[in-house]
Formats: sequence, structure tokens, C-alpha cells
Amino acid sequence: DVKVTQSSRYLVKRTGEKVFLECVQDMDHENMFWYRQDPGLGLRLIYFSYDVKMKEKGDIPEGYSVSREKKERFSLILESASTNQTSMYLCASGRGGTQYFGPGTRLLVL
Amino acid sequence: QKEVEQNSGPLSVPEGAIASLNCTYSDRGSQSFFWYRQYSGKSPELIMFIYSNGDKEDGRFTAQLNKASQYVSLLIRDSQPSDSATYLCAVNTGRRALTFGSGTRLQVQP
Repeated sequence: DVKVTQSSRYLVKRTGEKVFLECVQDMDHENMFWYRQDPGLGLRLIYFSYDVKMKEKGDIPEGYSVSREKKERFSLILESASTNQTSMYLCASGRGGTQYFGPGTRLLVL
Repeated sequence: QKEVEQNSGPLSVPEGAIASLNCTYSDRGSQSFFWYRQYSGKSPELIMFIYSNGDKEDGRFTAQLNKASQYVSLLIRDSQPSDSATYLCAVNTGRRALTFGSGTRLQVQP
């Protein structure tokens, strides 16, 4: 079974803090993705990576950066957290359109 | 205009009925189409994909694609209460990432 794990299920941070969200997959997938999911807005792509050290902006990259130093690991970084970044963050990995999602991290920024 | 549009619902059907979920997309160059199911509090999981015009059946699920009308649908036959979830339509427009609709919430009444 494909397994995608995320470092935290729940996270509470203060405005201005630097936040790291980590994602690990065990299926040797080239592609990894970070989404945020908000009520009424669906899944929105923040960044994705198609190879080690390669990244591409998604639809809402502002305020975020990413890092992929190893094939199995993809990190999302909030450089200076703001309250409008309170959301559910979902990581996925896959090939083509088949994506496997992690359990999600619910982030609250106070 | 959103790239992928779905009626947010809820769509309510009685147990045993056919549930019909619809999705339209704006990019005529879209190549492949996916349906993900998301239970409340859980992550999305892939249930079907379709590439060619026409119908594709998998058990109780049928995906239908009409590229000329830019329309894709998911039919669920013999709906069960366990089918109650949000169904996300996703489209691959040729880049490595998918574009998701905001989802339709399905409620199957016992």
C-alpha cells in the first residue's frame, strides 16, 4: 500500500513564526504536491515538485516556499505565518493524475 | 470562470437510487479526468479516471466524458449510505498537476 505521511496532524503557531510542514512518501514517486483545503474553495495547489530539487508554483504560492532535497521528502515552509494561512494542508504524491494523499495537517495561526 | 466547476450540493438521494454527479471544465486541451472521494475528516482518495469520450464502468461507478461539451460525470448505482461523502472532480490540462473542483457533497438517505 502506498503510504504518505505528514509530520503533524494539528499545529498551532503564532503570527510571524516560521512553520515547517513535512511530507514523506514510500512509493518512489517523482511527483509530490502541496495543497490547502478551505471550506467552499476546494483543494488549491500551492507548489509541486517533479524531481529532486525541482519545483513549480501552483495556483497560490504566495507566502509559501518548498524544499525537496530527497525524492521521498517534500517540505512546505511558511516563511512568516499569517492568520489567513490557517487551513488544512494536504500533501500528495503520485504519477499522472493518480495522487495519494497524506492525512493532512490542520494549521491554526493565532 | 473557475477552471473546474461542480455544484456544491448537498445532493440528497435515497438508498438504492442512482446518484449523478456533474462537473464542467473550461480548458479544451484537458486530457484526463479523475474522480476523488473524500469522507468527512479524511483525505481524498481516487475512485475513477477516464481519458476517452464515452462511459467507463467500475462496479457500481460509471464515469462519463463528453469532451465536445466539456462535461464529465460520475454515476453511482444502488447508492448506499456509505457513499455519503464529498466527490471531487479533477482535470489534467497537460501540466503535471491536477486542477480540482470544489466538490459536491452527496448524502444517501437510508
